Amino acid sequence: TQLLEQSPQFLSIQEGENLTVYCNSSSVFSSLQWYRQEPGEGPVLLVTVVTGGEVKKLKRLTFQFGDARKDSSLHITAAQPGDTGLYLCAGAHMKTSYDKVIFGPGTSLSVIP
Amino acid sequence: DTEVTQTPKHLVMGMTNKKSLKCEQHMGHRAMYWYKQKAKKPPELMFVYSYEKLSINESVPSRFSPECPNSSLLNLHLHALQPEDSALYLCASSQATRSSYEQYFGPGTRLTVT
Repeated sequence: TQLLEQSPQFLSIQEGENLTVYCNSSSVFSSLQWYRQEPGEGPVLLVTVVTGGEVKKLKRLTFQFGDARKDSSLHITAAQPGDTGLYLCAGAHMKTSYDKVIFGPGTSLSVIP
Repeated sequence: DTEVTQTPKHLVMGMTNKKSLKCEQHMGHRAMYWYKQKAKKPPELMFVYSYEKLSINESVPSRFSPECPNSSLLNLHLHALQPEDSALYLCASSQATRSSYEQYFGPGTRLTVT
């Protein structure tokens, strides 16, 4: 069974703090996506990482794909209340079809003003 | 345009009602998905349509019936639902190619079964 694990499961921090969310698997990914979902809305695609060791930045968010393509991290600098939401990583393992994407369990982030 | 639209936004229905959820995308995607999501949990895949044909049914009860009238539209027909079916129902679409794993989600329909 191919699984994606995320940690931490829940995170509550003060505005202005930094945080890192992790996504791990025992298998190699073809690519990995990060989504953010605000309460009552659908997930919104933030980024796709494809190459091992790749780093992508989206304003205060930094995404990294592990060298072995088995893990990824999301770092948020100076968190703001607008960052509150459920962060989901998703991906497909090597040679799997587009309809075999699996989702991690999510990290629920709350940024307190 | 990366928008997926869903109607209605909210739906309250009794256990004997019949209703339908609708989803539309105009990105030319040939794969469309229905997911069910409970609060603070990841989306659970229900159905996948590829090129207007049902390719995946994740053992969903028959009270949920999907339909793909054309490449832009996806419906989910609901009948005789149970209170435990109350959830956020998400539609998504993606390119139907092996290397395209990015999915684009609609805002969801919040369903309450009374």
